[in-house]
Amino acid sequence: GQNIDQPTEMTATEGAIVQINCTYQTSGFNGLFWYQQHAGEAPTFLSYNVLDGLEEKGRFSSFLSRSKGYSYLLLKELQMKDSASYLCAVSEVTGGGNKLTFGTGTQLKVEL
Amino acid sequence: ETGVTQTPRHLVMGMTNKKSLKCEQHLGHNAMYWYKQSAKKPLELMFVYSLEERVENNSVPSRFSPECPNSSHLFLHLHTLQPEDSALYLCASSQARSARRDSPLHFGNGTRLTVT
Repeated sequence: GQNIDQPTEMTATEGAIVQINCTYQTSGFNGLFWYQQHAGEAPTFLSYNVLDGLEEKGRFSSFLSRSKGYSYLLLKELQMKDSASYLCAVSEVTGGGNKLTFGTGTQLKVEL
Repeated sequence: ETGVTQTPRHLVMGMTNKKSLKCEQHLGHNAMYWYKQSAKKPLELMFVYSLEERVENNSVPSRFSPECPNSSHLFLHLHTLQPEDSALYLCASSQARSARRDSPLHFGNGTRLTVT
């Protein structure tokens, strides 16, 4: 099975940078996803890392280290609208196909 | 517009009722999913349909019954639910997922279900 760990809550200031960490333990690793979920809305896809390194997409970047079982999501130039829950999800190849397991999510609050 | 629409958005039902949740995807995907999201818990996979065939049933109680009549539509039939089944039920779709590279899920806004 998988064990995914991410902080429950974080608070940051508008305009600042925040890093949300995610650690995992799995076999048959097939990539790690980050999703953003605003209250009462659908989770939306932010990033996917399957190789080590940093993927940059505008204000958001995601990093992966497979050997350490570690990823982070980096949000720059924070805006109030970035207040949301950020879900880390790990994909694992099993006999039945790809299995996606979600963490509990990190609730980010952006303050003035 | 998420490309995945779910109805109803909110549902209140008694334990003896029968109701159905509906999901429709407009993205041309060939796999559809039901997830349960409860407070303080990770998203829980309930059912997976790939090419309209159920490929996974994650030990879900029989009071939840899925139906996938075609690749664009997915239903979750509910009967004799318990109060602990109250949660947000999310539908998602994706393209085929390979062992070398996975594909992202596209979620609907969910149905907020309350069982009284």
